[in-house]
Amino acid sequence: TQLLEQSPQFLSIQEGENLTVYCNSSSVFSSLQWYRQEPGEGPVLLVTVVTGGEVKKLKRLTFQFGDARKDSSLHITAAQPGDTGLYLCAGPPNFGNEKLTFGTGTRLTIIP
Amino acid sequence: ETGVTQTPRHLVMGMTNKKSLKCEQHLGHNAMYWYKQSAKKPLELMFVYSLEERVENNSVPSRFSPECPNSSHLFLHLHTLQPEDSALYLCASSQDHGRIEAFFGQGTRLTVV
Repeated sequence: TQLLEQSPQFLSIQEGENLTVYCNSSSVFSSLQWYRQEPGEGPVLLVTVVTGGEVKKLKRLTFQFGDARKDSSLHITAAQPGDTGLYLCAGPPNFGNEKLTFGTGTRLTIIP
Repeated sequence: ETGVTQTPRHLVMGMTNKKSLKCEQHLGHNAMYWYKQSAKKPLELMFVYSLEERVENNSVPSRFSPECPNSSHLFLHLHTLQPEDSALYLCASSQDHGRIEAFFGQGTRLTVV
């Protein structure tokens, strides 16, 4: 059973468009993180959200943690080719286990 | 150097070979991890070391043998691997085992032939 499901699995859009990707679970997470992984590289941490309903902004990226702490979304405004990559959500399930569980990933391609 | 460095970046090995992957972190972290990333599968945690002691082994086959001689270095020794072991192997570190924010290396792309 996959704890963190991400959607869509693949997304290809034109430069300048907006997009949202999702990370969903039936389990409660004490926090969720978003990573971006570029081809040939390891994942790089973008943000950590901790409080239910929390919204964090990182330039054109907006991250939201669901009120029930079971889901999260990443919204990108005016996408640029540099946003291309594999976006991964991850977190420790909220039952005292600090092991980081990763989602299935969304592979995003921004077409110039 | 800063961050987490992995060598080699690419490795091709036969099923009867023995090889080792190396990871070095320059962040002063106390916890280090090995992950496996296969196509169409989520990142899989393999091993966790905290202060040079192995604290987690996620049912990884014995053909993978980790070693952590000190808090800055982590190795993954490989022996008689199978083609299905071909994957990107990622090393990561965090301040402590209980701190979940991980810093990853660039990975070693392993191909078993």
